Amino acid sequence: GENVEQHPSTLSVQEGDSAVIKCTYSDSASNYFPWYKQELGKGPQLIIDIRSNVGEKKDQRIAVTLNKTAKHFSLHITETQPEDSAVYFCAALTSNTNAGKSTFGDGTTLTVKP
Amino acid sequence: GAVVSQHPSRVICKSGTSVKIECRSLDFQATTMFWYRQFPKQSLMLMATSNEGSKATYEQGVEKDKFLINHASLTLSTLTVTSAHPEDSSFYICSAQGQGQYFGPGTRLTVT
Repeated sequence: GENVEQHPSTLSVQEGDSAVIKCTYSDSASNYFPWYKQELGKGPQLIIDIRSNVGEKKDQRIAVTLNKTAKHFSLHITETQPEDSAVYFCAALTSNTNAGKSTFGDGTTLTVKP
Repeated sequence: GAVVSQHPSRVICKSGTSVKIECRSLDFQATTMFWYRQFPKQSLMLMATSNEGSKATYEQGVEKDKFLINHASLTLSTLTVTSAHPEDSSFYICSAQGQGQYFGPGTRLTVT
């Protein structure tokens, strides 16, 4: 089955700096890679996703890059703000329609210091 | 769009009783819903996949007779924790499959 590794487990940055979280996956058949943000006591929220036919996707301060050959994908947050502090999870799954079981990374706790 | 609700958000029950948690997709239909359990500072652990109109598929090690799942409609799935024990205390999260996978806000279960 799929195995997803996520690094780092904790990340602390100064407000305004960039944050990068990396994930690697094992199953070359995986073709959909979402990122979730989970605040304390809440459910995860989808913040950005990328499909295997795309190398990069950007949404305002958030971007995701995908390297299919190396089987890794990364979340980039620029101009970080204190409200970006949360746990971030990457996931990988194989599906033509986004349906199917996601394999999650272990999460990265991001702290943005004001 | 793509809002998933869970009810209740918090529940405290006595050991031996059963608790039902509801998961609803509010503005889309979800043929597939997933139930997760999350321990403090850990990732999401998939418990079961719930498909509308059919039996749920449970992950290895998850007792199907203890965690009863019903997916009676395209917008509602329920998880019933039967004969709850303190070790069942956890954060339970559902997700519904739409254009992506959308999570509910979670239910904090405490069994005393």
